[in-house]
Amino acid sequence: QVQLVESGGGLVKPGGSLRLSCAVSGFDFGDYFMNWIRQAPGKGLEWISIISDNGLHTNYADSVKGRFTISRDNAKNSLFLQMNSLRAEDTAVYYCARGGHDYSYFHYWGQGALVAVSS
Amino acid sequence: DIQMTQSPSALSASVGDRVSITCRASQSLSGRLAWYQHKPGKAPNLLIYKASSLESGAPSRFSGSGSGTEFTLTISSLQPDDFATYYCQHYSTLFPTFGQGTKVEIK
Repeated sequence: QVQLVESGGGLVKPGGSLRLSCAVSGFDFGDYFMNWIRQAPGKGLEWISIISDNGLHTNYADSVKGRFTISRDNAKNSLFLQMNSLRAEDTAVYYCARGGHDYSYFHYWGQGALVAVSS
Repeated sequence: DIQMTQSPSALSASVGDRVSITCRASQSLSGRLAWYQHKPGKAPNLLIYKASSLESGAPSRFSGSGSGTEFTLTISSLQPDDFATYYCQHYSTLFPTFGQGTKVEIK
């Protein structure tokens, strides 16, 4: 059974940092590209980052480029998102999602972690 | 970046109705389009990939069609469990994007 479980969300002040984690089970984690996608309150889904299966290639949406860093630990079946210089507009539910063996659709999703940026 | 435009943004329908949602892309997607169902507080659920392939476990009342820049998600007979928001998503470039969503509500 495929499971993706996000953790690390919470309330942070503008300019602060937060690190999200996604623990994965039920498939060969190291075989798949992984993604972070978010949904701000009352808004639609926004893809923000992808990392290749071996971790060597990453890509970011313009809205987070230079502030967020995606990484993974294949030995621990874990995906991470380091978020720095947080802004109010980063307030959202953050989902980790499994892609394919390349840039692809999002086959499996976690339940999401809420990040709130407010003073 | 490729822009995705869904229509309508919301619709009201009754159980048993046939419902169609359209997604238009700003450039050709070569069939690299997916559809998701999303309910509040839950993870989005993949319904359709490669424009018309039904995801394993998704009900057969859902179908996808289209090519090039125009795609359609059809629910053949709306069921109570189908009231949700639906999103299209392209994956034809390094920057995947979603449509703005279509909220399907009970009439």
